[in-house]
Amino acid sequence: DSGVTQTPKHLITATGQRVTLRCSPRSGDLSVYWYQQSLDQGLQFLIQYYNGEERAKGNILERFSAQQFPDLHSELNLSSLELGDSALYFCASSSSSEQYFGPGTRLTVT
Amino acid sequence: GEDVEQSLFLSVREGDSSVINCTYTDSSSTYLYWYKQEPGAGLQLLTYIFSNMDMKQDQRLTVLLNKKDKHLSLRIADTQTGDSAIYFCAEITPRVNYGQNFVFGPGTRLSVLP
Repeated sequence: DSGVTQTPKHLITATGQRVTLRCSPRSGDLSVYWYQQSLDQGLQFLIQYYNGEERAKGNILERFSAQQFPDLHSELNLSSLELGDSALYFCASSSSSEQYFGPGTRLTVT
Repeated sequence: GEDVEQSLFLSVREGDSSVINCTYTDSSSTYLYWYKQEPGAGLQLLTYIFSNMDMKQDQRLTVLLNKKDKHLSLRIADTQTGDSAIYFCAEITPRVNYGQNFVFGPGTRLSVLP
């Protein structure tokens, strides 16, 4: 158990819909990272937050957004969903040089 | 730019040693990591090495770093069926403005044959 929690574990939704994925970092970690893992794209970095502020953006679509709240949990919002958004979405947290991953949310868009 | 490369597949027999290789391009990497991902699970941090080290050993795992060639390897001794997983190499590099950037390789799928 990495100490990073993500909800829900599985999500099935239709094209055009909007979903919110939630992540709670390890106790004491200020940084939260979001990744997308699909079969054809591998592990893609989406976005990073540090203590409530956006720090870096990777390959994140404009339809996707995220935020980190004062209690340090983070949410990733995916809107106008397309079939190609089906993937595993991971959250990771870190406080220094080690990054710990949550179990992921499997999103299926039908 | 930052790029991490790995071969995609490796098969070994149970009891043999496995060697998973990785190359990276960013010479400013400070730490290099190996993660393990089992089917349906998240990434588990296995081990990491600081960039000024050549080798790190942790039980059955040995990490070798050749900084000149920007080559990292993970050796698993006495490979077991439970070692079957995808292994990701990753590097951490400082960002220009602030903080650090984690860059992951595509992963090597290790299959352990009985």
